[in-house]
This record gives sequence, structure tokens and C-alpha cells, in this order.
Amino acid sequence: QQQVKQSPQSLIVQKGGISIINCAYENTAFDYFPWYQQFPGKGPALLIAIRPDVSEKKEGRFTISFNKSAKQFSLHIMDSQPGDSATYFCARGAGNNRKLIWGLGTSLAVNP
Amino acid sequence: DTGVSQNPRHKITKRGQNVTFRCDPISEHNRLYWYRQTLGQGPEFLTYFQNEAQLEKSRLLSDRFSAERPKGSFSTLEIQRTEQGDSAMYLCASSLDRGNSPLHFGNGTRLTVT
Repeated sequence: QQQVKQSPQSLIVQKGGISIINCAYENTAFDYFPWYQQFPGKGPALLIAIRPDVSEKKEGRFTISFNKSAKQFSLHIMDSQPGDSATYFCARGAGNNRKLIWGLGTSLAVNP
Repeated sequence: DTGVSQNPRHKITKRGQNVTFRCDPISEHNRLYWYRQTLGQGPEFLTYFQNEAQLEKSRLLSDRFSAERPKGSFSTLEIQRTEQGDSAMYLCASSLDRGNSPLHFGNGTRLTVT
């Protein structure tokens, strides 16, 4: 059962552009919303995470925006670079993070 | 390298054979997780250890799957009588025993069952 809906499935952006990936969730009993980045042949790596009491969190070129009323959160990658080309996953967790539930992923390609 | 280490990186086996994977977590991490990932999907939770205790198992983990963490350090995941549907990337992750501590993933073991 997919409880985190992620879109788009794939995304192509020009170098320097803004990449935007969206996720929506159904159950409100979650308090942790991480984004992971995965390169081919590698495990996922935590990119940035947010808690629902914060509407936005920025780390370098990466920003999470959280809309609690709409049950949506999004990842913005500013000044996208070819090295950002990877698959991005949103997830949600509850309690002590024992069991993250993941979206299906977005394959991002940044053209040089 | 002090990250999560998984071995082997790749495993090809014939249907019906048993396979075992090993995960060495980051040394100070009490929590250890196993996930499974198939192409085009996000990781799916399989099981979770707090030190040596296996505290949670997913319904995805059939009786053919068993995981251990005997001394609270490394962990093994064994699949008995493998089936073609077991073909996937098996990911191990570890974290500190503290709230929503981030999961640190290894690079996985890719299993192909022929």
C-alpha cells in the first residue's frame, strides 16, 4: 500500500534550472519527512529532512517546503547541476523512525 | 571507510538455493534495518534490530527469510529456497538510538535468482 504519492516519475531540467519534486501523504500520524538521493549502484543517502512543525527548511541548494493542511511536501533543487542527476525519494516516518515508508522515486536528469 | 558495509555486492543463485548476506553497520549505531528495493520502487522495510533484539518484522518477510544480529554488531539476512521473485537489491541501514536519527544505508547486495 503506497501511502506516499510522489510526482513526477521522471524530470529533465537544464543546468541552472530549478528541479521540483512533490509528495503527498494521507495519514497525519507522521512526524518526520526525509528526502533521500540515490545514485545508480549505491544505497540511498539522506539529503534533507523536515518535521511538520516547520514550513520550510533550506540546506544549500536544497529546500523542503511543507504544507501540513494540504498534506504535501516538496523538494526544490535550485541551480540544478549535472551532478544532481539521480533518483530522489521522499519518505515519511513516525515515532522513532523504525519504519520509513517511501515514495516510488523521481528520476532526475540535469542536462549540461 | 566507516560507513555501512554490505557483502557480497552481487549474488547470482539458482532457484531453490539458500543465500546469506552480511551487513556491518556503523560501529556506534544501535539500530539496524533491512530493506528490499526492486527496480523503479522505493525501499520496502523488512526488519529492524535494536542491538541484538529483532523488534519488528514486515509481513513481506516470509518464513523463508531470517535475520540475525547475534552480538548487536553485524547482521545476516538469510533467504532459504530462493524464488525468482526474491531478485532485488537488499539494503542494510543503521542509525543511532535517538528519535528520528537519520538512516545510513550501505550500497546493498543485488540478488539475482535464475
